[in-house]
Amino acid sequence: GAVVSQHPSWVICKSGTSVKIECRSLDFQATTMFWYRQFPKQSLMLMATSNEGSKATYEQGVEKDKFLINHASLTLSTLTVTSAHPEDSSFYICSARGGTAIYSNQPQHFGDGTRLSIL
Amino acid sequence: SQQGEEDPQALSIQEGENATMNCSYKTSINNLQWYRQNSGRGLVHLILIRSNEREKHSGRLRVTLDTSKKSSSLLITASRAADTASYFCATGITGNQFYFGTGTSLTVIP
Repeated sequence: GAVVSQHPSWVICKSGTSVKIECRSLDFQATTMFWYRQFPKQSLMLMATSNEGSKATYEQGVEKDKFLINHASLTLSTLTVTSAHPEDSSFYICSARGGTAIYSNQPQHFGDGTRLSIL
Repeated sequence: SQQGEEDPQALSIQEGENATMNCSYKTSINNLQWYRQNSGRGLVHLILIRSNEREKHSGRLRVTLDTSKKSSSLLITASRAADTASYFCATGITGNQFYFGTGTSLTVIP
């Protein structure tokens, strides 16, 4: 159980393109989804937290207009990197968690990540 | 930064030996979780320990938590080559946020 599917797994596109990444919880209701960015051999940096039906909460330094997050249902959240540039190239990982939106002792379940390469 | 720190950054051991990784954090937490990441993949949840717990076991894994020192440790006993991966701690703080530690890269030599 607790499977999270992230799609696509790898994207290569030209500078200026907008890229959408999907994160789906396949067998549970994800009240909260998290989006992370990871640079090579580094830890995960939390970008934003989204609760179903609410606006995402972005971490300091993360541009809201650059990284658009939508969490319209209990099983789907999307991250859109708008007008992507080479510096946006990274490994993006989503996670999903059930339980109450405000606080939960339940673990996060991660997708397999999306490798984004902007040429 | 609320990100935790782990040590060592890298650990190389022989198969069959035990591996210990430590995690220190800065803020009060509700829980602490350990995750494993194979290269280029997502993270796999290993174990969650609540702030009112001191020790937890799961198979070959043993996690301790010392909230007074704001630290946790992950012990993998009788390591196997398949345990080679990066291991991260993540602190669940009050609210709805998780912060990952810097990670420990574990190599188990067959």
